[in-house]
Formats: sequence, structure tokens, C-alpha cells
Amino acid sequence: EAGVAQSPRYKIIEKRQSVAFWCNPISGHATLYWYQQILGQGPKLLIQFQNNGVVDDSQLPKDRFSAERLKGVDSTLKIQPAKLEDSAVYLCASSLAQTGVNYGYTFGSGTRLTVV
Amino acid sequence: LAKTTQPISMDSYEGQEVNITCSHNNIATNDYITWYQQFPSQGPRFIIQGYKTKVTNEVASLFIPADRKSSTLSLPRVSLSDTAVYYCLVANNNNDMRFGAGTRLTVKP
Repeated sequence: EAGVAQSPRYKIIEKRQSVAFWCNPISGHATLYWYQQILGQGPKLLIQFQNNGVVDDSQLPKDRFSAERLKGVDSTLKIQPAKLEDSAVYLCASSLAQTGVNYGYTFGSGTRLTVV
Repeated sequence: LAKTTQPISMDSYEGQEVNITCSHNNIATNDYITWYQQFPSQGPRFIIQGYKTKVTNEVASLFIPADRKSSTLSLPRVSLSDTAVYYCLVANNNNDMRFGAGTRLTVKP
């Protein structure tokens, strides 16, 4: 079974520029998550999709971050404009069920963003 | 959501058994306990999940006492490749999991 695919693997941008990350979840997984992981910290949930609808975006900085999952499959996360504190690894995960409790999450390898 | 507390770091040597304990005093009746492992430059990976008593798989064992206010992840005979960050999470079917800072395990030769 193919895993969760993310691209790009690395990205370096200047502050105030915009950037987009792409995620393709495991086939058949209805739930997709975006996490932000700052160096030395655990992953922080940014947004959760169930098919193409948003379930939880309470921790998404909506003034600069946006995400979409238009056809209920792959997803993009965008930052515009980027700040220095956005430097982090952005992880995408998917799950068969609405939560990861019974089936677990499968994570991609992430996109490492450096804002200079 | 139940908050979890686990040691920031632990050191061990190859071949030893490692036990990482997680406190979750406010665990709810329908909460499950799940452990994830994360290597550098990778996303977290599911290790084991349990509700009560003991669960064992090919990777680890999970011990949960009767009051469920804590749990212990047991890694038998660790090797250098077990060096990673281990996260304890508590959640149920109505709430998604929140990651804490985890326990950074370093296995030495």
C-alpha cells in the first residue's frame, strides 16, 4: 500500500513570500490532517478534513494559512505571507476513520519549511 | 481532552528493556491510549494502542493499570535504531489526538 505522499520535501523562502504544500493521502482514507511541527516540539494539529469538509480548524492561523481538499482526496496547505516563526516541518496524515483512535494515523515524511 | 505527562528524555543501552511511563490523570471512560514513535526527518509512526490491562505486539508492550491514570510503554531489548521520540496520546472516537512534547529516547552502544 502506498503511503502518504507529500511535496516538496524541502522549501526555503523569504519572509512575506507565499508557499504551498501538497499532500496525497492513502487511497480510501476519508480523513486528512495537517500538522505543524516546530523543532523540538510535538506535532500541532492545524486542520482536519473529513472527505472535502473541514472538521476542525481551530488552531489554524486563518489570517495567513489556508487549506483545501476540493475533491476529498489530495490537499494543499498554503501560507501567505510567511513569517519567520512559520519555519517548521509540515506533516500530512490520513486515517480511515473520522478519528485516529481505532485505525491510527499514517503520516507522510513532511515538508521542511525554512523562512529567512 | 486528557492531558498527558511523560519524561522529556531517557537514556538506555543496547539490549536493555526500556519502560516509558505516561501520566494521564484526567483520562475519560471512553479514551484509548496510543503510542507513536518518531525518527528524525520522518512523520510519527503508530506503535501500539490499548484501553486497559496489557497489550503486546511485535514491537512493544503497553501496560495500563486498573485506574488507567497512567500507562507504560515497554520496549524489549532496545537497539540503536530505537533511538527516537515517543509520544503518548489519549483520545476517543469523538476527539482527535493531540501530541505533547514526547520522550526523547537515546540508546547508547
